[in-house]
Amino acid sequence: QKEVEQDPGPLSVPEGAIVSLNCTYSNSAFQYFMWYRQYSRKGPELLMYTYSSGNKEDGRFTAQVDKSSKYISLFIRDSQPSDSATYLCAIPTGNQFYFGTGTSLTVIP
Amino acid sequence: SQTIHQWPATLVQPVGSPLSLECTVEGTSNPNLYWYRQAAGRGLQLLFYSVGIGQISSEVPQNLSASRPQDRQFILSSKKLLLSDSGFYLCAWSVGQIYEQYFGPGTRLTVT
Repeated sequence: QKEVEQDPGPLSVPEGAIVSLNCTYSNSAFQYFMWYRQYSRKGPELLMYTYSSGNKEDGRFTAQVDKSSKYISLFIRDSQPSDSATYLCAIPTGNQFYFGTGTSLTVIP
Repeated sequence: SQTIHQWPATLVQPVGSPLSLECTVEGTSNPNLYWYRQAAGRGLQLLFYSVGIGQISSEVPQNLSASRPQDRQFILSSKKLLLSDSGFYLCAWSVGQIYEQYFGPGTRLTVT
């Protein structure tokens, strides 16, 4: 079983929609959970991260962790065409980072 | 502020030729440094990481090697490239116990 699994999509939504991006993980000891956004042919950029359970909000983005089901989510409200990108979840442990394969999102104007 | 540089941005090399990709970080000291490869439609594969000068950990047996000759310089090399070495190579850094990892702009390598 992979440490982190992510639905690759692709996901296509109309502008203004609420987007839900999800990952599952295998190790209940994981504590930090990160979300990266990667535009085509660019390096990933850190969007936000959460520690342990609960929600964290930053503008239109909300990261949510459910440790009981080992499930992490990123919600994007009022999605914009500029949100079109690949979103990767990541879990750091020690000196290593486990990345999901990424979900490709397209927001249609 | 911290910045990370990678070069070249794009590279086309024949099979069997050598490779040298360079990554430098500015604005921080003693960073942890990482090399990843991202194949088309696939996730990030950690190749090497380094916690200090001359300290390199390899994650995947492969045709590549890494070196860290200076605190903020990380080099990815190969003596003879294979077709399977094609991909998008990303350098990243983090500091201490802070789990935020920051990526460079990447090098797109095509082996022909």
